[in-house]
Amino acid sequence: GESVGLHLPTLSVQEGDNSIINCAYSNSASDYFIWYKQESGKGPQFIIDIRSNMDKRQGQRVTVLLNKTVKHLSLQIAATQPGDSAVYFCAENELSSGTYKYIFGTGTRLKVLA
Amino acid sequence: DVKVTQSSRYLVKRTGEKVFLECVQDMDHENMFWYRQDPGLGLRLIYFSYDVKMKEKGDIPEGYSVSREKKERFSLILESASTNQTSMYLCASAFYRGKTGELFFGEGSRLTVL
Repeated sequence: GESVGLHLPTLSVQEGDNSIINCAYSNSASDYFIWYKQESGKGPQFIIDIRSNMDKRQGQRVTVLLNKTVKHLSLQIAATQPGDSAVYFCAENELSSGTYKYIFGTGTRLKVLA
Repeated sequence: DVKVTQSSRYLVKRTGEKVFLECVQDMDHENMFWYRQDPGLGLRLIYFSYDVKMKEKGDIPEGYSVSREKKERFSLILESASTNQTSMYLCASAFYRGKTGELFFGEGSRLTVL
């Protein structure tokens, strides 16, 4: 079946450097994507989203890039801080029974080194 | 702010027991979801509901059932708990604007089945 997956399970980054978290998706019909951040002991929290009619979207210190040609999504975090340490998930929407459900990747753990 | 509340953060049950996990959201969202989260497997969809008394199977519905008698409440039921259902369970709700809509998650319920 089609799925969303991540290339790297763990990413270690020096504080102050930029982080790039990657995600590959396989459902070419998906047209909406979200990145979530999950801190230890908490539920996932929305970071940023992007629609398939865009290839880039920026937020505060975060940028999401979408490459529909190779079905690839990435999350860039500028000037990574200790508070960015978490597990990051990408999710794609999928039409099912007249509504939309989200398929999540397996997650990437970001470790920020002091 | 949207609030999704899961009634129990930690539960310990014995094999064969019936387990109820309750979830309440306060933003009048039509769509509600139950996921389970396991290390290395990410978030997997168990069931979702797009309206009161409506339910749809997700990717791993076996061993679970759900109930949505009121719009704000979505319950996950394990009729006879088994050790392989030990996991973190996450409830989410969403209001879709066309194809898009952010999922709001609860803090999770960690279930241990002995």
